Amino acid sequence: DARVTQTPRHKVTEMGQEVTMRCQPILGHNTVFWYRQTMMQGLELLAYFRNRAPLDDSGMPKDRFSAEMPDATLATLKIQPSEPRDSAVYFCASTGPYNSPLHFGNGTRLTVT
Amino acid sequence: SQQGEEDPQALSIQEGENATMNCSYKTSINNLQWYRQNSGRGLVHLILIRSNEREKHSGRLRVTLDTSKKSSSLLITASRAADTASYFCATDDYNQGGKLIFGQGTELSVKP
Repeated sequence: DARVTQTPRHKVTEMGQEVTMRCQPILGHNTVFWYRQTMMQGLELLAYFRNRAPLDDSGMPKDRFSAEMPDATLATLKIQPSEPRDSAVYFCASTGPYNSPLHFGNGTRLTVT
Repeated sequence: SQQGEEDPQALSIQEGENATMNCSYKTSINNLQWYRQNSGRGLVHLILIRSNEREKHSGRLRVTLDTSKKSSSLLITASRAADTASYFCATDDYNQGGKLIFGQGTELSVKP
């Protein structure tokens, strides 16, 4: 079964450190989303790409977050510098043609101390 | 910003009973989707209903969509303990095609 792969599954880091999360979308999917999930805010859309081009990153704190797709098989979400309030589960999801469902990875659980 | 609002926030029922969850949204949509999330896992797609559809079935799931009221409901019939999970609706905004915004979710607990 094709699946979205996220690494690492867990990350504990100290405030001020750089964090990079990686996502391998399903082969052939051309749209990739990054979501952040917390108890307080629920699932927030951070950014999404189509055909590797960023379409919307308005949900992302621009001063510290950046999202890229170096190639069709890799999406990255970087936080620099990280802060305790960034602690959350970060999900990547990919999808194919319009009106297709999202396929989610199992997330990266980030803890910033 | 949230688009879909689920109701109730939490629901506890006995095995065999039906579970109904509701979702309201604010803008015109292309489609509405329902997802399920088990603890510690990613979301799994359940069903997609397009804006020109009113009802859709998949196994024990029944989804309705009322675009005039900007609302949808998910019915799980003959619930099982394995249905225990969080359920989310997500809307594909008509003016921002492909941008999927999720609601806060309904936490369903099915007791054996």
